[in-house]
Amino acid sequence: QSALTQPASVSGSPGQSITISCTGTSSDLGAYNYVSWYQQHPGKAPKLMIYEVSNRPSGVSNRFSGSKSGNTASLTISGLQAEDEADYYCGSYTRSNTWVFGGGTKLTVL
Amino acid sequence: EVQLVESGGGLVQPGGSLRLSCAASGFTFSTYWMTWVRQAPGKGLEWVAHIKQDGTEKYYVESVKGRFTISRDNAKNSLYLQMNSLRAEDTAVYYCARHPHGTFDDWGLGTLVTVSS
Repeated sequence: QSALTQPASVSGSPGQSITISCTGTSSDLGAYNYVSWYQQHPGKAPKLMIYEVSNRPSGVSNRFSGSKSGNTASLTISGLQAEDEADYYCGSYTRSNTWVFGGGTKLTVL
Repeated sequence: EVQLVESGGGLVQPGGSLRLSCAASGFTFSTYWMTWVRQAPGKGLEWVAHIKQDGTEKYYVESVKGRFTISRDNAKNSLYLQMNSLRAEDTAVYYCARHPHGTFDDWGLGTLVTVSS
């Protein structure tokens, strides 16, 4: 099972919006709406930000939104803030009853 | 409040074994799938294995099949990962995570496993 494809890095200035893409295949991301996004600050555990493509858990800012088209999912962060600087990972269920993550994207807030 | 606390990590020689544990509290453990995810130093997340609520279904990433075994004890609210024939590439922080339908919503702080001679 190959990892989902994410850009290695993205950056944006405070107040701007950025989008992180996550590309899979018809055997994983394209097959189900079980796509999640996780934020990870250095030395910390991952935190769920988006589940089932576009749902936000309680307590997650509405500046975070998710979408999916075909085999590609996207995470958009609007109104960038310094505390958003972190690594972001997408994850998807697969047809093999397993899970796969993306390689991660480092977000830098300029 | 959901709490997941991993333990059992440490330094082990190649070919050795370790058993990781994850103590769960703050939710009804027996009603959730549970998962192990690992992260090698400086690398991304890798899903390792997950187990159904009653332990009857288990799935593994290809690289650990035949070497790792996931299990649970619902009476003790605990998740386990038995790791045998360890290799250098198994060196990672191992996280346990609660696994409601379609995602991993709560994570432990992780336990570090180092495989080295």
